[in-house]
Amino acid sequence: RKEVEQDPGPFNVPEGATVAFNCTYSNSASQSFFWYRQDCRKEPKLLMSVYSSGNEDGRFTAQLNRASQYISLLIRDSKLSDSATYLCVVNKGGGADGLTFGKGTHLIIQP
Amino acid sequence: GAVVSQHPSRVICKSGTSVKIECRSLDFQATTMFWYRQFPKQSLMLMATSNEGSKATYEQGVEKDKFLINHASLTLSTLTVTSAHPEDSSFYICSGITGVNYGYTFGSGTRLTVV
Repeated sequence: RKEVEQDPGPFNVPEGATVAFNCTYSNSASQSFFWYRQDCRKEPKLLMSVYSSGNEDGRFTAQLNRASQYISLLIRDSKLSDSATYLCVVNKGGGADGLTFGKGTHLIIQP
Repeated sequence: GAVVSQHPSRVICKSGTSVKIECRSLDFQATTMFWYRQFPKQSLMLMATSNEGSKATYEQGVEKDKFLINHASLTLSTLTVTSAHPEDSSFYICSGITGVNYGYTFGSGTRLTVV
């Protein structure tokens, strides 16, 4: 089983649609969870951290289920600028550990 | 916010030569620096973790003698790819961390092409 698994892409959706990404992770010792976005040939940029209580940032909502080791990201009212690859990321253990990245899901928002 | 400056952004080198990549934390002290690489259509993979003033810890399958990491100060870490070969062509990216809040700040990456 891969350490971090994500929905395979690409997702092609019309502008304004709602998009949901799912992710599962295998390392139960992971303590920090993130969604990053990566534009083509660029460095990943933090979209949001993910907490067990769920958290929202504007059009973006992230959820974490530690029991099932599942993370989700919901994007509402998608914009053309949301087109990117979305990376599910967990840290390798506790504290200041390196990150384990999923392969990413490519999202294409169509006008 | 915290910034990590990574240079060069792009490098093309001949097979057998060595390439040095630098990452500087500009407005924070990076007690720990992580080095990742990303092959086309693959995920970023952690190569090594370096703590200032000590030897780097390498992930399984990463040759420590090939990928030399130096983290001599709290603001500078370097990765040297020694005797580079075409299979080392990849996107290399560093990430600094400060012990204060464990925020991860990424450099802008270095695209290495070995010909």
